Amino acid sequence: DTGVSQDPRHKITKRGQNVTFRCDPISEHNRLYWYRQTLGQGPEFLTYFQNEAQLEKSRLLSDRFSAERPKGSFSTLEIQRTEQGDSAMYLCASSGQREYNEQFFGPGTRLTVL
Amino acid sequence: GENVEQHPSTLSVQEGDSAVIKCTYSDSASNYFPWYKQELGKGPQLIIDIRSNVGEKKDQRIAVTLNKTAKHFSLHITETQPEDSAVYFCAASKGSGGYNKLIFGAGTRLAVHP
Repeated sequence: DTGVSQDPRHKITKRGQNVTFRCDPISEHNRLYWYRQTLGQGPEFLTYFQNEAQLEKSRLLSDRFSAERPKGSFSTLEIQRTEQGDSAMYLCASSGQREYNEQFFGPGTRLTVL
Repeated sequence: GENVEQHPSTLSVQEGDSAVIKCTYSDSASNYFPWYKQELGKGPQLIIDIRSNVGEKKDQRIAVTLNKTAKHFSLHITETQPEDSAVYFCAASKGSGGYNKLIFGAGTRLAVHP
């Protein structure tokens, strides 16, 4: 399967713990996006990478959140000192080089903070 | 800030009827408008998109219309089938150079009854 993959699919953690999610984009895609989706809402933009450079971060991305894409391929999203309000679906999307690129989404990682 | 409003939040139709979902956007610089379908436990899947230089686009049973003056765009699904049941999201972006941060609506839950 050459689609966007995310790991893990589900994560349950206790408040105060750190969690890390991984996204593997479509191999030839140089653009990668992270979004967060809470129940009954549309996805909200978190951050954007072009190759390994993180070019935009949303105000939603507090200092407890950090994202990396060290070699311009897979990306990780880490949340430190999780809070119950962090419970959501974390979606990754990737797109290619052309103008007006379609974003292909992964299946998401559902985080539950107890 | 940028905002996308989507109506209705739920839509119930009989198989074979048409379904229409409407969105409005706030940023007049927006130039790319995709629609995504999200099934339970899956990431959003692009079903159709439209650029600002086009007023209408069709793909089999799905069509999208755009009114730039009114900042409205709509999704039309004809001859609905039970497998069309899902949550549909509209989005807008002011993409430039391939970078498309998507601003999503809150979604419409479509139920198609046999």
